[in-house]
Amino acid sequence: AQKITQTQPGMFVQEKEAVTLDCTYDTSDQSYGLFWYKQPSSGEMIFLIYQGSYDEQNATEGRYSLNFQKARKSANLVISASQLGDSAMYFCAMREIFNPDGGATNKLIFGTGTLLAVQP
Amino acid sequence: DGGITQSPKYLFRKEGQNVTLSCEQNLNHDAMYWYRQDPGQGLRLIYYSQIVNDFQKGDIAEGYSVSREKKESFPLTVTSAQKNPTAFYLCASSTGTGYEKLFFGSGTQLSVL
Repeated sequence: AQKITQTQPGMFVQEKEAVTLDCTYDTSDQSYGLFWYKQPSSGEMIFLIYQGSYDEQNATEGRYSLNFQKARKSANLVISASQLGDSAMYFCAMREIFNPDGGATNKLIFGTGTLLAVQP
Repeated sequence: DGGITQSPKYLFRKEGQNVTLSCEQNLNHDAMYWYRQDPGQGLRLIYYSQIVNDFQKGDIAEGYSVSREKKESFPLTVTSAQKNPTAFYLCASSTGTGYEKLFFGSGTQLSVL
């Protein structure tokens, strides 16, 4: 079964500095998709960035970039120039297209999240 | 504006009572999902539906039920069989194909009185 692991329960970063949030994944599929979501205290889930397993370039979206190392099965999120508004929970997720029985599922599996606190 | 609407934002359940959480989307998405989030934990999938009149159990379906009679709507019922229902519930939708992202609602906090 597919699994997402986020080993950092919480992180502190100074405003304007860069921070890396770790994510490792486990899958036997050759084709998969990896996502990062942000959850502020209001509870909504905000999509940040996506990386496909066959994408040769690391994904970037503004201040967010994904450090994708396929051989190590890691998909770390890098936030550059942190802002106070970046303080939130961050979740790494993987898209499962087929379940172990071969049936189509098309569901998203989440890690346990990392709580980021940006300090002024 | 297109999006996903969850209601109510806060819900209280008495012992032995069934309660229903509403989820409506106007994104014309085929697939819809219900996730449960407990404090300090990630999201766990309860049920999902890839098309109208069809749905599948997720990882923690016991004590919950769903219906998908309309493309726009995917209500979740928390039954009395769910012994620990206090959690934050998130509804999501997607086009249902490929590796596209999920769009989420703003969630419902369910508490037991």
